[in-house]
Amino acid sequence: QVQLVQSGAEVKKPGASVKLSCKASGYTFTNYAIHWVRQAPGQRLEWMGWINAGKGDTKFSQKFQGRVTITRDTSASTVNMELSSLRSEDTAVYFCARETTAGRRVSFFDHWGQGALVTVSS
Amino acid sequence: DIQMTQSPSSLSASVGDRVTITCRASQSISSYLNWYQQKPGKAPTALIYAASTLQSGVPSRFSGSGSGTDFTLTISSLHPEDFAIYYCQQTYSTPQTFGQGTKVEIK
Repeated sequence: QVQLVQSGAEVKKPGASVKLSCKASGYTFTNYAIHWVRQAPGQRLEWMGWINAGKGDTKFSQKFQGRVTITRDTSASTVNMELSSLRSEDTAVYFCARETTAGRRVSFFDHWGQGALVTVSS
Repeated sequence: DIQMTQSPSSLSASVGDRVTITCRASQSISSYLNWYQQKPGKAPTALIYAASTLQSGVPSRFSGSGSGTDFTLTISSLHPEDFAIYYCQQTYSTPQTFGQGTKVEIK
Protein backbone atom coordinates (compact mmCIF):
# COMPACT_ATOMS: atom_id res chain seq x y z
CA GLN A 1 0.00 0.00 0.00
CA VAL A 2 1.07 3.57 -0.63
CA GLN A 3 2.79 5.16 2.34
CA LEU A 4 4.49 8.48 2.93
CA VAL A 5 6.48 8.45 6.16
CA GLN A 6 7.86 11.74 7.40
CA SER A 7 10.72 12.50 9.71
CA GLY A 8 10.01 13.60 13.24
CA ALA A 9 9.28 16.80 15.08
CA GLU A 10 11.89 19.55 15.19
CA VAL A 11 12.54 22.49 17.48
CA LYS A 12 14.56 25.31 15.95
CA LYS A 13 15.69 28.79 16.92
CA PRO A 14 14.79 31.82 14.82
CA GLY A 15 17.14 32.21 11.88
CA ALA A 16 17.98 28.52 11.70
CA SER A 17 17.03 26.06 8.96
CA VAL A 18 15.04 22.86 9.13
CA LYS A 19 15.18 19.88 6.80
CA LEU A 20 12.29 17.44 6.70
CA SER A 21 12.12 14.18 4.82
CA CYS A 22 9.27 12.19 3.29
CA LYS A 23 9.95 8.57 2.40
CA ALA A 24 7.62 7.00 -0.13
CA SER A 25 6.78 3.33 -0.55
CA GLY A 26 4.21 1.14 -2.24
CA TYR A 27 4.35 2.78 -5.67
CA THR A 28 6.77 3.83 -8.42
CA PHE A 29 8.37 6.88 -6.82
CA THR A 30 9.34 8.62 -10.05
CA ASN A 31 5.82 8.52 -11.49
CA TYR A 32 4.33 11.06 -9.10
CA ALA A 33 4.88 14.58 -7.83
CA ILE A 34 5.22 15.29 -4.14
CA HIS A 35 3.93 18.50 -2.61
CA TRP A 36 4.58 20.16 0.73
CA VAL A 37 1.70 21.73 2.62
CA ARG A 38 1.88 23.30 6.06
CA GLN A 39 -0.69 24.09 8.72
CA ALA A 40 -0.03 26.61 11.46
CA PRO A 41 -1.98 26.06 14.70
CA GLY A 42 -5.69 26.60 14.07
CA GLN A 43 -5.03 27.83 10.54
CA ARG A 44 -5.88 26.71 7.04
CA LEU A 45 -3.68 24.47 4.95
CA GLU A 46 -0.99 26.38 3.04
CA TRP A 47 0.68 25.07 -0.11
CA MET A 48 4.45 25.56 -0.21
CA GLY A 49 5.72 23.87 -3.34
CA TRP A 50 6.23 20.64 -5.21
CA ILE A 51 8.74 18.46 -6.96
CA ASN A 52 8.34 16.19 -9.94
CA ALA A 53 9.97 13.11 -8.45
CA GLY A 54 10.91 11.82 -11.89
CA LYS A 55 12.44 14.88 -13.54
CA GLY A 56 13.30 16.78 -10.39
CA ASP A 57 11.54 19.99 -11.53
CA THR A 58 10.33 22.15 -8.70
CA LYS A 59 7.89 25.00 -8.23
CA PHE A 60 7.29 27.06 -5.13
CA SER A 61 4.79 29.47 -3.73
CA GLN A 62 6.15 32.99 -4.11
CA LYS A 63 5.64 33.39 -0.37
CA PHE A 64 8.48 30.92 0.27
CA GLN A 65 10.65 31.65 -2.77
CA GLY A 66 14.26 31.95 -1.76
CA ARG A 67 13.69 30.24 1.60
CA VAL A 68 12.54 26.78 0.54
CA THR A 69 14.36 24.01 -1.27
CA ILE A 70 12.83 20.70 -2.29
CA THR A 71 15.01 17.83 -3.48
CA ARG A 72 14.56 14.15 -4.13
CA ASP A 73 16.71 11.06 -3.80
CA THR A 74 15.34 8.51 -6.23
CA SER A 75 17.54 5.73 -4.85
CA ALA A 76 15.91 6.19 -1.45
CA SER A 77 12.42 7.15 -2.71
CA THR A 78 12.68 10.19 -0.47
CA VAL A 79 11.79 13.83 -0.88
CA ASN A 80 13.43 16.44 1.34
CA MET A 81 12.20 19.93 2.09
CA GLU A 82 14.46 22.53 3.65
CA LEU A 83 13.14 25.84 4.97
CA SER A 84 15.66 28.48 5.98
CA SER A 85 15.67 31.75 7.93
CA LEU A 86 13.02 30.38 10.25
CA ARG A 87 10.79 32.74 12.22
CA SER A 88 8.12 32.12 14.82
CA GLU A 89 5.41 32.29 12.15
CA ASP A 90 6.88 29.15 10.58
CA THR A 91 5.74 27.10 13.57
CA ALA A 92 3.40 24.60 11.94
CA VAL A 93 2.78 20.99 11.05
CA TYR A 94 4.39 20.25 7.71
CA PHE A 95 2.85 17.59 5.48
CA CYS A 96 4.10 15.95 2.32
CA ALA A 97 1.42 14.77 -0.08
CA ARG A 98 1.40 12.76 -3.28
CA GLU A 99 -0.31 14.32 -6.25
CA THR A 100 -2.35 12.07 -8.49
CA THR A 101 -3.76 13.17 -11.80
CA ALA A 102 -7.18 12.25 -13.13
CA GLY A 103 -7.37 13.76 -16.56
CA ARG A 104 -6.32 16.98 -18.24
CA ARG A 105 -5.07 19.30 -15.50
CA VAL A 106 -7.17 17.52 -12.86
CA SER A 107 -5.13 16.65 -9.81
CA PHE A 108 -5.50 16.17 -6.09
CA PHE A 109 -3.55 14.84 -3.13
CA ASP A 110 -4.46 11.19 -2.68
CA HIS A 111 -1.93 10.23 -0.02
CA TRP A 112 -0.42 12.30 2.75
CA GLY A 113 2.40 11.87 5.21
CA GLN A 114 1.59 11.88 8.90
CA GLY A 115 2.91 15.40 9.37
CA ALA A 116 5.89 16.80 11.26
CA LEU A 117 5.62 19.58 13.82
CA VAL A 118 8.24 22.28 13.50
CA THR A 119 8.44 24.65 16.44
CA VAL A 120 10.41 27.86 16.05
CA SER A 121 11.20 29.41 19.38
CA SER A 122 14.05 31.25 21.04
CA ASP B 1 -3.54 34.44 -5.50
CA ILE B 2 -7.03 32.99 -5.68
CA GLN B 3 -8.86 33.36 -2.37
CA MET B 4 -11.08 30.49 -1.24
CA THR B 5 -13.84 31.28 1.25
CA GLN B 6 -15.92 28.61 2.94
CA SER B 7 -19.21 29.02 4.73
CA PRO B 8 -20.12 28.44 7.36
CA SER B 9 -16.88 28.32 9.36
CA SER B 10 -18.54 25.90 11.74
CA LEU B 11 -21.84 24.15 12.16
CA SER B 12 -23.53 21.89 14.66
CA ALA B 13 -25.52 18.96 13.38
CA SER B 14 -26.94 15.66 14.51
CA VAL B 15 -26.33 12.16 13.23
CA GLY B 16 -28.61 11.65 10.25
CA ASP B 17 -28.75 15.33 9.28
CA ARG B 18 -28.11 16.57 5.77
CA VAL B 19 -25.20 19.02 5.74
CA THR B 20 -24.12 21.42 3.01
CA ILE B 21 -20.86 23.36 2.97
CA THR B 22 -20.15 26.11 0.47
CA CYS B 23 -16.83 27.16 -1.04
CA ARG B 24 -16.46 30.32 -3.10
CA ALA B 25 -13.45 31.25 -5.24
CA SER B 26 -12.37 34.86 -5.80
CA GLN B 27 -12.26 34.17 -9.56
CA SER B 28 -13.42 31.40 -11.84
CA ILE B 29 -11.58 28.12 -11.33
CA SER B 30 -13.64 26.03 -13.74
CA SER B 31 -14.01 22.67 -11.94
CA TYR B 32 -10.51 22.50 -10.47
CA LEU B 33 -11.82 22.14 -6.95
CA ASN B 34 -11.14 19.40 -4.43
CA TRP B 35 -12.56 18.63 -1.00
CA TYR B 36 -10.70 17.11 1.95
CA GLN B 37 -11.67 15.90 5.40
CA GLN B 38 -9.33 16.36 8.35
CA LYS B 39 -9.71 14.87 11.82
CA PRO B 40 -7.82 16.17 14.87
CA GLY B 41 -4.12 15.38 14.77
CA LYS B 42 -4.36 13.67 11.40
CA ALA B 43 -3.50 14.48 7.81
CA PRO B 44 -6.32 15.44 5.46
CA THR B 45 -7.92 12.78 3.27
CA ALA B 46 -9.39 13.38 -0.17
CA LEU B 47 -13.15 13.16 -0.56
CA ILE B 48 -14.03 14.77 -3.89
CA TYR B 49 -11.91 15.92 -6.82
CA ALA B 50 -12.75 17.90 -9.95
CA ALA B 51 -15.69 19.39 -8.04
CA SER B 52 -17.94 16.34 -8.23
CA THR B 53 -15.95 13.10 -8.58
CA LEU B 54 -15.96 10.87 -5.54
CA GLN B 55 -12.51 9.62 -4.56
CA SER B 56 -12.19 5.84 -4.43
CA GLY B 57 -13.34 4.38 -1.13
CA VAL B 58 -15.28 7.45 -0.02
CA PRO B 59 -18.89 6.72 1.02
CA SER B 60 -21.59 7.76 -1.43
CA ARG B 61 -23.25 9.99 1.18
CA PHE B 62 -20.61 12.57 0.19
CA SER B 63 -21.21 14.53 -2.99
CA GLY B 64 -19.89 17.68 -4.61
CA SER B 65 -21.20 20.11 -7.15
CA GLY B 66 -20.48 23.45 -8.75
CA SER B 67 -18.24 25.14 -11.27
CA GLY B 68 -16.82 28.57 -11.88
CA THR B 69 -16.74 30.28 -8.51
CA ASP B 70 -19.35 28.50 -6.37
CA PHE B 71 -19.11 24.97 -5.07
CA THR B 72 -20.85 22.79 -2.49
CA LEU B 73 -20.01 19.70 -0.52
CA THR B 74 -23.04 17.78 0.72
CA ILE B 75 -23.22 14.98 3.25
CA SER B 76 -26.62 13.41 2.74
CA SER B 77 -26.87 11.79 6.18
CA LEU B 78 -24.24 12.51 8.82
CA HIS B 79 -22.52 9.54 10.40
CA PRO B 80 -20.62 9.77 13.71
CA GLU B 81 -17.28 9.47 11.89
CA ASP B 82 -18.07 12.53 9.73
CA PHE B 83 -17.50 15.02 12.53
CA ALA B 84 -14.35 16.72 11.30
CA ILE B 85 -13.04 19.79 9.49
CA TYR B 86 -13.62 20.06 5.75
CA TYR B 87 -11.41 22.06 3.38
CA CYS B 88 -11.79 23.01 -0.25
CA GLN B 89 -8.73 23.42 -2.46
CA GLN B 90 -8.33 25.04 -5.87
CA THR B 91 -5.77 23.66 -8.29
CA TYR B 92 -6.62 26.03 -11.15
CA SER B 93 -3.59 28.21 -10.62
CA THR B 94 -0.37 28.39 -8.62
CA PRO B 95 -0.22 28.80 -5.72
CA GLN B 96 -2.85 26.22 -4.94
CA THR B 97 -4.98 27.61 -2.15
CA PHE B 98 -7.32 26.19 0.47
CA GLY B 99 -10.42 27.46 2.17
CA GLN B 100 -10.29 28.29 5.86
CA GLY B 101 -12.15 25.10 6.75
CA THR B 102 -15.60 24.22 8.03
CA LYS B 103 -15.78 22.45 11.36
CA VAL B 104 -18.71 20.03 11.62
CA GLU B 105 -19.53 19.46 15.28
CA ILE B 106 -21.98 17.26 17.11
CA LYS B 107 -25.15 19.01 18.22
